[in-house]
Amino acid sequence: ETGVTQTPRHLVMGMTNKKSLKCEQHLGHNAMYWYKQSAKKPLELMFVYNFKEQTENNSVPSRFSPECPNSSHLFLHLHTLQPEDSALYLCASSQDDIPGQPQHFGDGTRLSIL
Amino acid sequence: DQQVKQNSPSLSVQEGRISILNCDYTNSMFDYFLWYKKYPAEGPTFLISISSIKDKNEDGRFTVFLNKSAKHLSLHIVPSQPGDSAVYFCAARTYTPLVFGKGTRLSVIA
Repeated sequence: ETGVTQTPRHLVMGMTNKKSLKCEQHLGHNAMYWYKQSAKKPLELMFVYNFKEQTENNSVPSRFSPECPNSSHLFLHLHTLQPEDSALYLCASSQDDIPGQPQHFGDGTRLSIL
Repeated sequence: DQQVKQNSPSLSVQEGRISILNCDYTNSMFDYFLWYKKYPAEGPTFLISISSIKDKNEDGRFTVFLNKSAKHLSLHIVPSQPGDSAVYFCAARTYTPLVFGKGTRLSVIA
């Protein structure tokens, strides 16, 4: 139990669907992150939120839309995705977004686009 | 261009022996380095970290060594146990987002 919970664990969707990934952390952290892990690639940072404000958008296509209503919850809204978006999406949190503070990850959502 | 490289995709070690996982980086501004372990169907779990002001950090069976002049760090696991079999990711940052390597799959053979 890492203190970071992601739902759903698996998601299959068509390219025209709209769905959302949810992340909740119970660690009292101020920073939350979305990462993408594709096969044979390193984890790629997508978004960073610090105190509910987005501080990093790593050139992510607009078909991915993050939402952070409070410091404990982070969503990733998905619409009109492409087959290449199939990947493992990982949420993480840390006390603050600064060096010296490790990020704690959830178990991820395995997303498959048909 | 990858800033953090783990050049060995896999490593096999006998139980009880030492496992050494290596990581090279190119950005001399990195000042904080971490190792994560990942089991199948789980997220990465933080293992150990080191700041650039140190050259060694130890936590139980796990020791991380940092060689700043060579831009190289390594994770030593001794003694290795079957439960250590996992994918190990090296990561680094400064006041920029964390950058990960591709990982090394460690298999500890009983």
